[in-house]
Amino acid sequence: DAGVTQSPTHLIKTRGQQVTLRCSPKSGHDTVSWYQQALGQGPQFIFQYYEEEERQRGNFPDRFSGHQFPNYSSELNVNALLLGDSALYLCASSLLNSPLHFGNGTRLTVT
Amino acid sequence: DAKTTQPPSMDCAEGRAANLPCNHSTISGNEYVYWYRQIHSQGPQYIIHGLKNNETNEMASLIITEDRKSSTLILPHATLRDTAVYYCIVLGTDSWGKLQFGAGTQVVVTP
Repeated sequence: DAGVTQSPTHLIKTRGQQVTLRCSPKSGHDTVSWYQQALGQGPQFIFQYYEEEERQRGNFPDRFSGHQFPNYSSELNVNALLLGDSALYLCASSLLNSPLHFGNGTRLTVT
Repeated sequence: DAKTTQPPSMDCAEGRAANLPCNHSTISGNEYVYWYRQIHSQGPQYIIHGLKNNETNEMASLIITEDRKSSTLILPHATLRDTAVYYCIVLGTDSWGKLQFGAGTQVVVTP
């Protein structure tokens, strides 16, 4: 039974570009959350999707947007990339009100 | 800001019990205590959670004080694979999924 899978594992983009990160939840899970983890810091909550709608959002600008598909997979989009967006982006899946299962993340480098 | 306080680091000898403290003096009645850990280059891993009773699973035990202002995560027989950053998180049912990670405790298990 595959856990949470994220793609790609590593990505290099140039400042000002746009990026899309993808997440497939653990089998049976219907809720997806996204986190950003800067080097040496704990993960920061970006937003959460349930039933294809954004359910909660953290303190991130509108440049960060997402989507959840009918099969529960999800995408995180970041527009107008800044150098400060360089981080590990983590996806977590769960059933509503159950503990989160995290993937191993996508390492984004903005140059 | 994170609602918990943890020591920045601690060492533990392999085979010994590791006792990780966490202070959460402002915890509310409907907030749970969750523990996650993050091994280097991996996503966070759920360990255990509790409301007011002590909890035990195959990974660890969670002891919550009667006033709920602090708790201790116990790894009964630490192994080298338990070396990780351990996060204590307080989470309410109204913000479920929106985990607020602090700096955590870096635990190093030595042979």
